[in-house]
Order: sequence, then C-alpha cells, then structure tokens
Amino acid sequence: SQQGEEDPQALSIQEGENATMNCSYKTSINNLQWYRQNSGRGLVHLILIRSNEREKHSGRLRVTLDTSKKSSSLLITASRAADTASYFCATGRLETNDYKLSFGAGTTVTVRA
Amino acid sequence: DGGITQSPKYLFRKEGQNVTLSCEQNLNHDAMYWYRQDPGQGLRLIYYSQIVNDFQKGDIAEGYSVSREKKESFPLTVTSAQKNPTAFYLCASSIGAPARHQPQHFGDGTRLSIL
Repeated sequence: SQQGEEDPQALSIQEGENATMNCSYKTSINNLQWYRQNSGRGLVHLILIRSNEREKHSGRLRVTLDTSKKSSSLLITASRAADTASYFCATGRLETNDYKLSFGAGTTVTVRA
Repeated sequence: DGGITQSPKYLFRKEGQNVTLSCEQNLNHDAMYWYRQDPGQGLRLIYYSQIVNDFQKGDIAEGYSVSREKKESFPLTVTSAQKNPTAFYLCASSIGAPARHQPQHFGDGTRLSIL
C-alpha cells in the first residue's frame, strides 16, 4: 500500500536553480528514503533518514524530516541537466514483525539548460 | 561490479501464456523484492523473500508466482491469471532480513507488454 505522497507531481526549473519537493505520510515510520529514477531505468538510492534524525546532507542533496507533521522534504541545490529524473520518497516501517517499504507516486523534475 | 541484473529488458506476452522474468544479484544480499510500476504511479510490492526457500506475498501478489532456490536468484512468473500484466517490473535487493535502515538496490527493470 502506498503511504507517501509527493508534492508537486511535476517541477520544471532552470539549470542552477534549487529544486524542492515534499513527501507526506500517514503512519509512524522507522525511516524515510529518497530514490531517483531516470527514464526507463531502475531506482537509485539517494538518502535514508531515520525517524530520530531531523536533517541529512549528501553532496547537493538536503533532506529534512518532521515526524510531528509526518512530512519530509528533498532539496537539490544548484541543479544540473543530469538531475532531470523522477524522485520518490519511500517510508520504511515495521508491520506485524515485518519490515515494509512503501513508495509514493513521485515528483518528475525537469531541469532546463 | 556488483549489482542486480534483470532480463529480458522487453518482454511480450500472448493471451493465456505464462512468462518468467529473471532477476540475479551478486551483492550477497539476503532479501530480494519484486515491484510493479504503472505509469504515473509509485512502486507496488508483488512478492519478497528474506531468505532462500522462503518468500511472502506483497500487496498485489494475485496472478504472480516466485521461487527462491538460490540466494542470487529470484525469478518472477506472470501467469495467465494476471489479466492486466502490462507494466514495468523492478527487482530489488537489500542486506539482511528484515532490512531495517538499509537501502534497496534496484535492477534496470523489465517492460512487459501484451501482444
């Protein structure tokens, strides 16, 4: 079952600008992960943030997590044409002794040269 | 290079036919997963396996079957009972069983269409 919902569904920015996308979810989580998918390819893991963490950085990526609002954001700074892709959030949580990862529908990001 | 290999990249199914999608990993991961992706939607879990010779149904298992006879391999069969099989199928793996606080590694997918 899908738990995360990304916003916006699509985003178009100029090269060099920042891109921000948000993810909201409904139930408590153990962690939240962000993935990138280039057209016709598999998903690539970007960042994992645990439920007791508030912010993580990786290169030009910054992820925040607000468990009180059940939301997360992914910021890509100084965007490049190569950042054009779909970005998915996935919530990881334990369900009856089993670990599940649930994906949202994604945000499609287009970076214009 | 370690990774996940899915084959074929494109597959066509005739009415009433079963087809099998291959997924092989050389990452030495215990857990493997099959997802289905439809246009404009997120990934939905079909089946997953945390250890050899054991697997569990995901959210949309009807019309699909799997086996896990080897750690490296997790093939998915799309049976004739799956009436709407056209989709992009993704295989993934992760360390450990269950994979808490661990990312999943994905193959490049198989696109299945009906003839």
